[in-house]
Amino acid sequence: DQQVKQNSPSLSVQEGRISILNCDYTNSMFDYFLWYKKYPAEGPTFLISISSIKDKNEDGRFTVFLNKSAKHLSLHIVPSQPGDSAVYFCAARWSGAGSYQLTFGKGTKLSVIP
Amino acid sequence: DAGVIQSPRHEVTEMGQEVTLRCKPISGHNSLFWYRQTMMRGLELLIYFNNNVPIDDSGMPEDRFSAKMPNASFSTLKIQPSEPRDSAVYFCASSLDGELTGELFFGEGSRLTVL
Repeated sequence: DQQVKQNSPSLSVQEGRISILNCDYTNSMFDYFLWYKKYPAEGPTFLISISSIKDKNEDGRFTVFLNKSAKHLSLHIVPSQPGDSAVYFCAARWSGAGSYQLTFGKGTKLSVIP
Repeated sequence: DAGVIQSPRHEVTEMGQEVTLRCKPISGHNSLFWYRQTMMRGLELLIYFNNNVPIDDSGMPEDRFSAKMPNASFSTLKIQPSEPRDSAVYFCASSLDGELTGELFFGEGSRLTVL
């Protein structure tokens, strides 16, 4: 049973427009959420994170929104650039477990069209 | 500053053979994770070590899989005997407990093909 779900396997966006990637989770114990970006033949790299005590975190063109009541988070990229084309993974963890292991979604492949 | 180093980058083997994947975490990190990436299941956690001790191996698919961390700078993931369904990209990641972001640092992965 997937605890972190990314229901859109792929997304295409025009350069300069906003990209919105969505993620849902089922485990209400999760208290920290991260987004990773992965290029082909490379390992995932950390992009941005948010704690459950916040509802928004912004870093340059990237903003993550968290809706705890809906168990939903989203990553907004604006404006989108061709270099943003990659697979984006949503991840979550429960700090109370005393571990730092992350549970990942299956990923969404973003294609930014020039 | 060296990142997580994995070897081999690519491995092609025949069903029934033993496969050993290797990982060197970032120096000073005390947690190490082995993940497997497939199209069907995405990134799955196989096993997690903290201070060289296996903490959670509930993701290890079956007894054919084993992992060790003999010291803070080296870990192996072994599959014996290998099967075609083990074909995937295996990632090693490390982190430092207490880091605010909880970020994991991933290696470039080992792509395994079992024929």
